Amino acid sequence: KNEVEQSPQNLTAQEGEFITINCSYSVGISALHWLQQHPGGGIVSLFMLSSGKKKHGRLIATINIQEKHSSLHITASHPRDSAVYICAVKRDTGNQFYFGTGTSLTVIP
Amino acid sequence: NAGVMQNPRHLVRRRGQEARLRCSPMKGHSHVYWYRQLPEEGLKFMVYLQKENIIDESGMPKERFSAEFPKEGPSILRIQQVVRGDSAAYFCASSTTQISRGGGYTFGSGTRLTVV
Repeated sequence: KNEVEQSPQNLTAQEGEFITINCSYSVGISALHWLQQHPGGGIVSLFMLSSGKKKHGRLIATINIQEKHSSLHITASHPRDSAVYICAVKRDTGNQFYFGTGTSLTVIP
Repeated sequence: NAGVMQNPRHLVRRRGQEARLRCSPMKGHSHVYWYRQLPEEGLKFMVYLQKENIIDESGMPKERFSAEFPKEGPSILRIQQVVRGDSAAYFCASSTTQISRGGGYTFGSGTRLTVV
């Protein structure tokens, strides 16, 4: 079983829709990252969270430490948001991150 | 201030050859992490280095793989005698301080290795 589980695995939305991607983890963590990966492209770090909520433009990320759950929301989605979104957690012991397998988002005009 | 620079972006090697992947961290970053993304799989940690030191190599295969981060120059991930199963995207990330202390964390664009 993966330490990090994401849902859904694939998501198709119409332009303008509100999108939610979920991440659950099973280990104690010191931080959680949301990453964005475009096809054939590099990886961009969107947020690093250890508690609460962060907002950047149309992106909002929340984390509930007690429930071991985080969500990434995209408001007013746009085709350029089409990408794979990856949840990664930094364990509270050791040096490595554990990654979810990603959510592939396609936004249709 | 350039981000994390990885080169080459694409690398093709025949079975049995050596592959060298380079990662130049962001200016001011002294911590480097290497990750591997196999086709249709998520990212997996390989190794964590600081200048001249390997801190954690628990994700590195025991044979053929090695990494270094010398005092001068980029970090190098070296794969000897490559096999088809080594074909993957290799990503490097760098940070100012150890991540557990909240250091900024930046990924490179990756090197896509294809073994033919």
